[in-house]
Order: sequence, then C-alpha cells, then structure tokens
Amino acid sequence: AQKITQTQPGMFVQEKEAVTLDCTYDTSDQSYGLFWYKQPSSGEMIFLIYQGSYDEQNATEGRYSLNFQKARKSANLVISASQLGDSAMYFCAMRDNDYKLSFGAGTTVTVRA
Amino acid sequence: KAGVTQTPRYLIKTRGQQVTLSCSPISGHRSVSWYQQTPGQGLQFLFEYFSETQRNKGNFPGRFSGRQFSNSRSEMNVSTLELGDSALYLCASSFGSTGSNSSPLHFGNGTRLTVT
Repeated sequence: AQKITQTQPGMFVQEKEAVTLDCTYDTSDQSYGLFWYKQPSSGEMIFLIYQGSYDEQNATEGRYSLNFQKARKSANLVISASQLGDSAMYFCAMRDNDYKLSFGAGTTVTVRA
Repeated sequence: KAGVTQTPRYLIKTRGQQVTLSCSPISGHRSVSWYQQTPGQGLQFLFEYFSETQRNKGNFPGRFSGRQFSNSRSEMNVSTLELGDSALYLCASSFGSTGSNSSPLHFGNGTRLTVT
C-alpha cells in the first residue's frame, strides 16, 4: 500500500504568494516522523522541515510551515512569500519504525515572476 | 560542518559490470541509508546501516549490497549491472533515531549511474 500520497504533480505560483502542497500518509504505527524535502534541478535533496507524530504544534522553519492534521493523516507544506528560487520538486516523506524513508511521488513547483 | 559526500558524481558502466559507490556521512552521524531515484519508480529505499549493522533492506535483488565501516562511511555495490540500474543513487546520513523522534536525514548530491 502506498504510504505517502502527493496528488499534485505540478503547481504554478506567483512570486510573493503562498502555496500549499498536499501530502497524505498511511501508517499503523503511532510513532512516526514526517519530512519535506526540496530537490532543485541540480539533483541534491534539501531537508526543509520535520514533524513528529507526538508534536502538538505545527512545525515552522522560516518561510516553511507544516500543517499537520493527525486525524486526517495529512501533512501539508505551506511556503509563504514564494521566491523564484523556490522552483523545484518537493517531496513529502515519512519514517515510521522501520528505519526507512517512504517518499511520495513529488510535486513540481514553478514560481512565476 | 561538512555535508554528506558521495563519490563519484557520475559513472558510466556497461551491462554486466559491477560498480561501487561511496558515501561519507556528516561527522557524528552513525546512520547511513541509500536510495535509488528513477523517473519511473521515484525514490526507493535500498538499505539502512547503523553502527555497521544493516537494520532494514528494501525490495531490491541480491545484486545490490552494501556495508558500513567503523568510521560510519558506507559503500554500495551493484553487481552484474543491467540497463534498468541507471539511476541517481542518493545516500543520506542521520543520528539514527526513528519514529516520532526521527532526526532529519541529510542527503548527499548523489551519484548518477548510467548503464549502457
């Protein structure tokens, strides 16, 4: 069964606007971690933000915030004040108790000037 | 602090050959994991090592193997290369905790393997 689902293959956003990237997950474990990564066209995978399943507050890191809705099993990424350099592929990932990251298919974000 | 270093960056091999990829983790990180990225299959987990022990292995044939040394550096080996092994191979390191206490995995720039 697919552990991570990202339903948006691609999105366009205007510079300085906010964008929300959707992510739903599936696990029977109570203890798990959720991650978002950015992959520019150069290929490196850049860690953005992390949310633990027992964290009560939504994680924030600069312009990135994670909208964590545990009952709905969703972990959406919000990028505020988009910049041209935000154009990249974004991956949602989960690590439960089997020591591996399960990745979604990714969402390509294109920021327009 | 130096990041995760993967060598080589690019590799071209022919079918039937074998290849070894190397990964040096961030200093202090004891967990190293490997992922294969292809346009068709996306990102797939290969294996994870912690303190020289393999803790988990993905669904790949036995041609894919790995190991970790006492200094946490890791190598991945693919024998009898097939055309379908062409991919970006990413290594990631972390402190090794999992579940809700997971520490972030930090990735290297990857090794792009082309099999002809």
